[in-house]
Amino acid sequence: NAGVIQTPRHKVTGKGQEATLWCEPISGHSAVFWYRQTIVQGLEFLTYFRNQAPIDDSGMPKERFSAQMPNQSHSTLKIQSTQPQDSAVYLCASSLAGAGNTLYFGEGSRLIVV
Amino acid sequence: GEQVEQLPSILRVQEGSSASINCSYEDSASNYFPWYKQEPGENPKLIIDIRSNMERKQIQELIVLLDKKAKRFSLHITDTQPGDSAMYFCAASYNAGAKLTFGGGTRLTVRP
Repeated sequence: NAGVIQTPRHKVTGKGQEATLWCEPISGHSAVFWYRQTIVQGLEFLTYFRNQAPIDDSGMPKERFSAQMPNQSHSTLKIQSTQPQDSAVYLCASSLAGAGNTLYFGEGSRLIVV
Repeated sequence: GEQVEQLPSILRVQEGSSASINCSYEDSASNYFPWYKQEPGENPKLIIDIRSNMERKQIQELIVLLDKKAKRFSLHITDTQPGDSAMYFCAASYNAGAKLTFGGGTRLTVRP
């Protein structure tokens, strides 16, 4: 089992540019979560999907962030018009929904906005 | 939504001693409380969890206690080793398959 796969691992983008992050959950996992990690804010919930359907996006900055899960094998997090405060490690996690919430995290995508 | 407070944010202990991390939550409906360990440059990994039908759980040197009335739970690491040095996060959720709300993290350093 390869675990949760996230790409790219590192991305540097200029202010105002768009950034797209990809996540491939563990095969068979029906829940996919996106978190953002910074030193100041810690692990912040962004959004999650269950069986590809968006369930809770209460942590998403509404204007520039969007997430999709077009099929069971991948999810994307898109940030438009990136700002320096978007710099963070974006973590994707997956779980067997209903099986105790054990989240398995990917290695993360480190986004730096300059 | 749920809020989880975690203390202390920094903890330094001597090798062989115990380390304790405390968390509190607000939503009495929360029923699942995992702990994650994150080493530098790596992703968070589950180390132990406890459900609301339990008060205590132990896996080797890790002990988790849950006080539902006080809405508090804690992680105790006995006989700490330098390899226990890492960031530790507590979390809470209220429903199977629902999101986890994390505490702010504790940076544990075990001095040889």
